[in-house]
Amino acid sequence: GAVVSQHPSRVICKSGTSVKIECRSLDFQATTMFWYRQFPKQSLMLMATSNEGSKATYEQGVEKDKFLINHASLTLSTLTVTSAHPEDSSFYICSARSRDRAEETQYFGPGTRLLVL
Amino acid sequence: GENVEQHPSTLSVQEGDSAVIKCTYSDSASNYFPWYKQELGKRPQLIIDIRSNVGEKKDQRIAVTLNKTAKHFSLHITETQPEDSAVYFCAASINTGGFKTIFGAGTRLFVKA
Repeated sequence: GAVVSQHPSRVICKSGTSVKIECRSLDFQATTMFWYRQFPKQSLMLMATSNEGSKATYEQGVEKDKFLINHASLTLSTLTVTSAHPEDSSFYICSARSRDRAEETQYFGPGTRLLVL
Repeated sequence: GENVEQHPSTLSVQEGDSAVIKCTYSDSASNYFPWYKQELGKRPQLIIDIRSNVGEKKDQRIAVTLNKTAKHFSLHITETQPEDSAVYFCAASINTGGFKTIFGAGTRLFVKA
Protein backbone atom coordinates (compact mmCIF):
# COMPACT_ATOMS: atom_id res chain seq x y z
CA GLY A 1 0.00 0.00 0.00
CA ALA A 2 0.93 3.66 -0.19
CA VAL A 3 3.25 4.81 2.59
CA VAL A 4 3.48 8.29 4.04
CA SER A 5 6.17 9.21 6.52
CA GLN A 6 6.50 12.15 8.85
CA HIS A 7 9.54 13.53 10.58
CA PRO A 8 10.07 14.11 13.40
CA SER A 9 7.67 11.83 15.25
CA ARG A 10 7.82 14.03 18.32
CA VAL A 11 9.44 17.32 19.18
CA ILE A 12 9.76 19.40 22.32
CA CYS A 13 10.75 23.02 21.89
CA LYS A 14 10.89 26.26 23.78
CA SER A 15 8.30 28.95 23.29
CA GLY A 16 9.27 31.32 20.49
CA THR A 17 11.18 28.82 18.37
CA SER A 18 10.12 27.52 14.97
CA VAL A 19 9.54 23.88 14.22
CA LYS A 20 9.55 22.23 10.81
CA ILE A 21 7.65 19.01 10.15
CA GLU A 22 8.22 17.00 6.99
CA CYS A 23 5.67 14.82 5.24
CA ARG A 24 6.86 12.45 2.54
CA SER A 25 5.09 10.02 0.25
CA LEU A 26 7.57 7.15 -0.03
CA ASP A 27 6.32 5.02 -2.87
CA PHE A 28 3.99 7.26 -4.81
CA GLN A 29 3.67 10.77 -6.12
CA ALA A 30 1.24 12.95 -4.24
CA THR A 31 -0.59 15.63 -6.15
CA THR A 32 -2.07 16.99 -2.97
CA MET A 33 -1.11 16.80 0.68
CA PHE A 34 -3.21 17.81 3.63
CA TRP A 35 -2.24 18.98 7.08
CA TYR A 36 -4.43 18.19 10.05
CA ARG A 37 -4.26 19.03 13.70
CA GLN A 38 -5.65 16.73 16.36
CA PHE A 39 -6.15 17.57 20.01
CA PRO A 40 -6.39 14.76 22.57
CA LYS A 41 -9.58 12.76 22.18
CA GLN A 42 -10.78 15.01 19.39
CA SER A 43 -11.22 14.81 15.67
CA LEU A 44 -8.86 15.71 12.86
CA MET A 45 -9.18 19.36 11.97
CA LEU A 46 -8.09 20.25 8.46
CA MET A 47 -5.59 23.10 8.57
CA ALA A 48 -4.57 23.46 4.95
CA THR A 49 -4.35 21.80 1.59
CA SER A 50 -0.99 21.75 -0.10
CA ASN A 51 -0.64 21.39 -3.86
CA GLU A 52 2.72 20.81 -5.48
CA GLY A 53 4.07 23.95 -7.06
CA SER A 54 1.38 26.30 -5.81
CA LYS A 55 0.41 28.10 -2.66
CA ALA A 56 -1.36 26.22 0.08
CA THR A 57 -5.04 26.78 0.73
CA TYR A 58 -5.73 27.45 4.40
CA GLU A 59 -8.92 26.72 6.26
CA GLN A 60 -10.78 29.51 7.99
CA GLY A 61 -9.20 30.45 11.26
CA VAL A 62 -5.75 29.03 10.43
CA GLU A 63 -3.06 31.69 10.28
CA LYS A 64 -0.96 31.19 7.17
CA ASP A 65 1.89 33.27 8.57
CA LYS A 66 1.91 31.09 11.66
CA PHE A 67 1.74 27.76 9.86
CA LEU A 68 3.93 27.96 6.78
CA ILE A 69 3.42 25.21 4.23
CA ASN A 70 5.76 24.42 1.37
CA HIS A 71 5.04 21.68 -1.14
CA ALA A 72 8.41 21.51 -2.85
CA SER A 73 7.94 18.33 -4.84
CA LEU A 74 5.44 15.57 -5.58
CA THR A 75 6.76 13.63 -2.60
CA LEU A 76 7.44 16.28 0.04
CA SER A 77 5.44 18.86 1.93
CA THR A 78 6.64 20.74 4.99
CA LEU A 79 4.75 22.50 7.76
CA THR A 80 6.65 25.08 9.78
CA VAL A 81 5.12 26.27 13.03
CA THR A 82 6.65 29.70 13.45
CA SER A 83 7.26 31.28 16.84
CA ALA A 84 5.61 28.35 18.56
CA HIS A 85 3.67 28.87 21.77
CA PRO A 86 2.27 26.38 24.28
CA GLU A 87 -1.18 26.57 22.67
CA ASP A 88 0.38 25.19 19.47
CA SER A 89 1.11 21.95 21.27
CA SER A 90 -0.82 19.27 19.43
CA PHE A 91 -0.64 16.20 17.23
CA TYR A 92 -0.04 17.20 13.62
CA ILE A 93 -0.85 14.66 10.91
CA CYS A 94 -0.37 14.92 7.19
CA SER A 95 -2.05 12.92 4.49
CA ALA A 96 -1.46 12.54 0.78
CA ARG A 97 -3.53 11.77 -2.26
CA SER A 98 -1.88 9.63 -4.87
CA ARG A 99 -1.78 10.67 -8.48
CA ASP A 100 -1.80 7.06 -9.55
CA ARG A 101 -4.34 5.39 -7.30
CA ALA A 102 -8.03 5.79 -6.54
CA GLU A 103 -8.55 9.48 -6.75
CA GLU A 104 -10.22 10.08 -3.42
CA THR A 105 -8.14 7.91 -1.13
CA GLN A 106 -5.93 9.68 1.38
CA TYR A 107 -2.99 8.00 3.07
CA PHE A 108 -1.99 9.32 6.46
CA GLY A 109 1.40 9.84 7.97
CA PRO A 110 2.13 8.62 11.53
CA GLY A 111 1.81 12.10 12.99
CA THR A 112 4.11 14.46 14.85
CA ARG A 113 3.53 15.24 18.49
CA LEU A 114 4.60 18.80 19.25
CA LEU A 115 5.06 20.04 22.79
CA VAL A 116 5.92 23.68 23.28
CA LEU A 117 7.22 24.58 26.71
CA GLY B 1 -19.01 24.55 4.15
CA GLU B 2 -19.39 20.86 4.80
CA ASN B 3 -20.27 19.74 8.31
CA VAL B 4 -20.16 16.12 9.46
CA GLU B 5 -21.88 14.96 12.61
CA GLN B 6 -21.14 11.58 14.15
CA HIS B 7 -22.95 9.57 16.82
CA PRO B 8 -22.47 8.14 19.33
CA SER B 9 -19.32 9.63 20.78
CA THR B 10 -18.73 6.49 22.84
CA LEU B 11 -19.97 2.97 22.22
CA SER B 12 -19.44 -0.05 24.41
CA VAL B 13 -20.44 -3.52 23.19
CA GLN B 14 -19.89 -7.09 24.26
CA GLU B 15 -17.58 -9.21 22.16
CA GLY B 16 -19.56 -10.84 19.38
CA ASP B 17 -22.24 -8.16 19.28
CA SER B 18 -22.67 -5.67 16.46
CA ALA B 19 -21.70 -2.02 16.56
CA VAL B 20 -23.30 0.74 14.53
CA ILE B 21 -21.96 4.26 14.09
CA LYS B 22 -23.99 6.91 12.28
CA CYS B 23 -22.98 10.08 10.50
CA THR B 24 -24.76 12.88 8.71
CA TYR B 25 -23.34 15.42 6.32
CA SER B 26 -24.61 18.78 5.16
CA ASP B 27 -23.24 19.36 1.66
CA SER B 28 -25.09 17.40 -1.00
CA ALA B 29 -22.08 17.80 -3.31
CA SER B 30 -20.03 15.43 -1.12
CA ASN B 31 -19.47 12.27 -3.10
CA TYR B 32 -16.97 10.12 -1.23
CA PHE B 33 -17.32 8.82 2.31
CA PRO B 34 -14.37 7.05 3.93
CA TRP B 35 -14.24 5.53 7.40
CA TYR B 36 -11.03 5.51 9.40
CA LYS B 37 -9.93 3.56 12.47
CA GLN B 38 -7.41 5.21 14.76
CA GLU B 39 -5.69 3.44 17.61
CA LEU B 40 -4.18 5.47 20.41
CA GLY B 41 -1.21 7.52 19.24
CA LYS B 42 -1.30 6.07 15.74
CA ARG B 43 -2.29 7.25 12.31
CA PRO B 44 -5.85 6.88 11.00
CA GLN B 45 -6.23 3.79 8.83
CA LEU B 46 -8.81 3.57 6.08
CA ILE B 47 -11.08 0.60 6.77
CA ILE B 48 -13.80 1.05 4.20
CA ASP B 49 -15.17 3.70 1.89
CA ILE B 50 -18.22 4.29 -0.23
CA ARG B 51 -18.90 6.51 -3.18
CA SER B 52 -22.10 8.40 -3.78
CA ASN B 53 -23.22 6.18 -6.64
CA VAL B 54 -23.44 3.16 -4.32
CA GLY B 55 -25.89 2.52 -1.49
CA GLU B 56 -24.08 -0.22 0.37
CA LYS B 57 -20.68 -1.85 0.54
CA LYS B 58 -19.43 -4.76 2.57
CA ASP B 59 -15.99 -6.10 3.42
CA GLN B 60 -16.03 -9.17 5.69
CA ARG B 61 -17.32 -7.98 9.10
CA ILE B 62 -17.56 -4.34 8.07
CA ALA B 63 -20.31 -2.74 6.03
CA VAL B 64 -21.24 0.81 5.19
CA THR B 65 -24.57 2.17 3.99
CA LEU B 66 -25.27 5.51 2.37
CA ASN B 67 -28.57 7.35 2.05
CA LYS B 68 -27.95 10.30 -0.24
CA THR B 69 -31.46 11.67 0.09
CA ALA B 70 -31.22 11.88 3.84
CA LYS B 71 -27.50 12.70 3.73
CA HIS B 72 -26.51 10.08 6.21
CA PHE B 73 -24.23 7.08 6.21
CA SER B 74 -23.49 4.37 8.72
CA LEU B 75 -20.77 1.91 9.65
CA HIS B 76 -21.74 -1.56 10.78
CA ILE B 77 -19.29 -3.92 12.46
CA THR B 78 -20.54 -7.43 13.10
CA GLU B 79 -19.10 -10.08 15.41
CA THR B 80 -16.99 -7.50 17.18
CA GLN B 81 -13.67 -8.48 18.68
CA PRO B 82 -11.54 -6.79 21.36
CA GLU B 83 -9.08 -5.68 18.68
CA ASP B 84 -11.87 -3.64 17.09
CA SER B 85 -11.59 -1.29 20.07
CA ALA B 86 -10.40 2.06 18.73
CA VAL B 87 -11.68 5.46 17.66
CA TYR B 88 -13.60 5.45 14.39
CA PHE B 89 -13.99 8.54 12.23
CA CYS B 90 -16.42 9.03 9.42
CA ALA B 91 -15.62 11.62 6.78
CA ALA B 92 -17.17 13.28 3.78
CA SER B 93 -15.13 14.37 0.79
CA ILE B 94 -16.04 16.94 -1.77
CA ASN B 95 -14.24 17.73 -4.98
CA THR B 96 -15.50 21.05 -6.24
CA GLY B 97 -12.88 23.75 -6.65
CA GLY B 98 -10.43 21.51 -4.84
CA PHE B 99 -10.61 18.24 -2.96
CA LYS B 100 -11.42 18.44 0.74
CA THR B 101 -12.27 15.90 3.44
CA ILE B 102 -14.14 16.85 6.59
CA PHE B 103 -14.10 14.45 9.52
CA GLY B 104 -16.73 13.63 12.09
CA ALA B 105 -15.92 14.01 15.77
CA GLY B 106 -15.15 10.32 16.21
CA THR B 107 -16.64 7.38 18.08
CA ARG B 108 -14.67 5.63 20.77
CA LEU B 109 -15.58 1.94 20.52
CA PHE B 110 -14.93 -0.41 23.41
CA VAL B 111 -15.38 -4.13 22.83
CA LYS B 112 -15.54 -6.02 26.10
CA ALA B 113 -14.23 -9.56 26.13
